Amino acid sequence: AQKITQTQPGMFVQEKEAVTLDCTYDTSDPSYGLFWYKQPSSGEMIFLIYQGSYDQQNATEGRYSLNFQKARKSANLVISASQLGDSAMYFCAMSVHSSNTGKLIFGQGTTLQVKP
Amino acid sequence: EAGVTQFPSHSVIEKGQTVTLRCDPISGHDNLYWYRRVMGKEIKFLLHFVKESKQDESGMPNNRFLAERTGGTYSTLKVQPAELEDSGVYFCASSQDRAKAFFGQGTRLTVV
Repeated sequence: AQKITQTQPGMFVQEKEAVTLDCTYDTSDPSYGLFWYKQPSSGEMIFLIYQGSYDQQNATEGRYSLNFQKARKSANLVISASQLGDSAMYFCAMSVHSSNTGKLIFGQGTTLQVKP
Repeated sequence: EAGVTQFPSHSVIEKGQTVTLRCDPISGHDNLYWYRRVMGKEIKFLLHFVKESKQDESGMPNNRFLAERTGGTYSTLKVQPAELEDSGVYFCASSQDRAKAFFGQGTRLTVV
């Protein structure tokens, strides 16, 4: 069965510090993609970063990086130099390529609060 | 470039009534997805369109839900009759290559 697990319901971080949001996944498919989305209080889901299972390097997008550890089946999101605007809910998601649909399986989400 | 747009942003209806949610994907995106987040639970896949065809509707909860995508452009999701457990946030997403999906802002449905 395919599953995404986010074990941190809520996290706090001081402004300007780095924070890691945990995500573990479970799939037997060798080809898959891992995603992180941000959901601010306004409700929209904002794409942050993508990692393919065959990508050799960890993905980075500005202040976001994905710590991909394939053997551990983890895909943690690292946000560097946190800003007040980073306060939001963060979702980890997976797409299994054999399904050929692109549908996403989501974790439960982690609420991040950045303290000034 | 316009993003994925969903209407309405909020809807409050009584149990037994009908509600229709609309999604306008990003222009040129053949793939359109519907997801739902019920309070306190994770976001769940409902169905996937490729152009006007339903590619995968394995996540549709029951036959009270009907999704259409006329002409492969916008999509509607109708709930008839609505039940209390249908309350939640309904998201629409579109993608060009089934990789990176862009989401709308969601429709918050409350059934009372």
